[in-house]
Amino acid sequence: DAGVTQSPTHLIKTRGQHVTLRCSPISGHKSVSWYQQVLGQGPQFIFQYYEKEERGRGNFPDRFSARQFPNYSSELNVNALLLGDSALYLCASSRSSGRMDSYNEQFFGPGTRLTVL
Amino acid sequence: ELKVEQNPLFLSMQEGKNYTIYCNYSTTSDRLYWYRQDPGKSLESLFVLLSNGAVKQEGRLMASLDTKARLSTLHITAAVHDLSATYFCAVDGHNDMRFGAGTRLTVKP
Repeated sequence: DAGVTQSPTHLIKTRGQHVTLRCSPISGHKSVSWYQQVLGQGPQFIFQYYEKEERGRGNFPDRFSARQFPNYSSELNVNALLLGDSALYLCASSRSSGRMDSYNEQFFGPGTRLTVL
Repeated sequence: ELKVEQNPLFLSMQEGKNYTIYCNYSTTSDRLYWYRQDPGKSLESLFVLLSNGAVKQEGRLMASLDTKARLSTLHITAAVHDLSATYFCAVDGHNDMRFGAGTRLTVKP
């Protein structure tokens, strides 16, 4: 089975521009989460979507938005890019939304490296 | 707010030696995960720990969870160069997952 896929792998943008990152989960997984990993730090949670609904949001500004499609793929959008948005953006998929019924083991994609100049 | 702290942040080991990485977290959670990340790569799942007292082993790595102490450990036995990587612990929060800052492990011959 294919793992989590993300596109593009690398992206260079300038300040003020907009970017869309894409993620396809593992087949059968209904939950997608997005993380930002700045160089030298641990991943920081941005969003979780399950069955096309937002289930969690991290401490990120409104410039960050996301959505999940009927096929469970997802897009992360970032508007008005800042230099500080330069990071590796990771997408992770899991079978469930977690917590009450089963554990939420997440499988990560290869990431999209975004550079903002 | 859930906080996850790992220590040490940097670890340089000789091959063949043993060492332990610690992961403390601040609020109640019974699900803890360990991941490995190689430079420039994504995260690889190592262990999922689901209950108090859980212990899992894979090769030279063994992970344990004490939910009462809010502590997980990742023990490395007889380290080899191939274990050089950054190791993260992560804890299930409320609809999110919080990661520690990572432990950058270097195993020297």
